[in-house]
Amino acid sequence: KAGVTQTPRYLIKTRGQQVTLSCSPISGHRSVSWYQQTPGQGLQFLFEYFSETQRNKGNFPGRFSGRQFSNSRSEMNVSTLELGDSALYLCASSRTGIVNTGELFFGEGSRLTVL
Amino acid sequence: AQSVTQLDSHVSVSEGTPVLLRCNYSSSYSPSLFWYVQHPNKGLQLLLKYTSAATLVKGINGFEAEFKKSETSFHLTKPSAHMSDAAEYFCVVFQAAGNKLTFGGGTRVLVKP
Repeated sequence: KAGVTQTPRYLIKTRGQQVTLSCSPISGHRSVSWYQQTPGQGLQFLFEYFSETQRNKGNFPGRFSGRQFSNSRSEMNVSTLELGDSALYLCASSRTGIVNTGELFFGEGSRLTVL
Repeated sequence: AQSVTQLDSHVSVSEGTPVLLRCNYSSSYSPSLFWYVQHPNKGLQLLLKYTSAATLVKGINGFEAEFKKSETSFHLTKPSAHMSDAAEYFCVVFQAAGNKLTFGGGTRVLVKP
C-alpha cells in the first residue's frame, strides 16, 4: 500500500514569490492535514481538509491556503513568500481525520527555502 | 488555552537501558494524547495514543505511556533502548472543543552503543 506522497521534496524560492505544494494521501483516506516544522517554532498545524472541505484551521495568516480535490489529493499554497516561511511542510492523511482522533500517516515533507 | 511541554529537549541513553521522555499538558477539557516519532528526513509515525480508555497505553516497538490526570502528564517509556530508537519524539494533544491539535517542542533521543 503506497504511503503519503509529497512533491516536490525540495524547492528554493525568493521573497515575494508564491509556492504550491502537493500531497497525495493513502488510498481510501479522506482527510489531509498540513503542518509547518521549523527549528524555532517547532511543529504547527496549518489546516485540515476532509472530503474537499476545510474542517480545521490553525493560526496562520491568509497567505497560507489550501484545497482538496475529489480524489483527496491536496495542495497548499503560500503567497508573497517571506524569509520566515522557510520550513519543512508536512502533510498527513487519515481515514477519519483529526476530529475523530484518527491515526495520522505523514509524508516525508517538502523542504522550502526562501532566499 | 491548550499547551504541551516536553520537559527535555535532548535525552541521551545507552543501548539496553531504559528511556523516559516526559510530557506535561494543559487542557480545559479531557484531551486525547499521542506520541509520534520522527526519524531523520522522515515524516512522523504514531507510537501510541490515549483516548480516555486504559490509562496505561502500549504502543509499537516496546513503547508505552501512562496518562496521569492528577499530574497532567503523559510520559513515554521503554524498558530497553535500541540503536534504532534514535529519533525525535513529539507529544501531541488533541482537544475536541475547538478541534485544536497542539505539538510539544520535541525530544531528541541519542542512543549510545
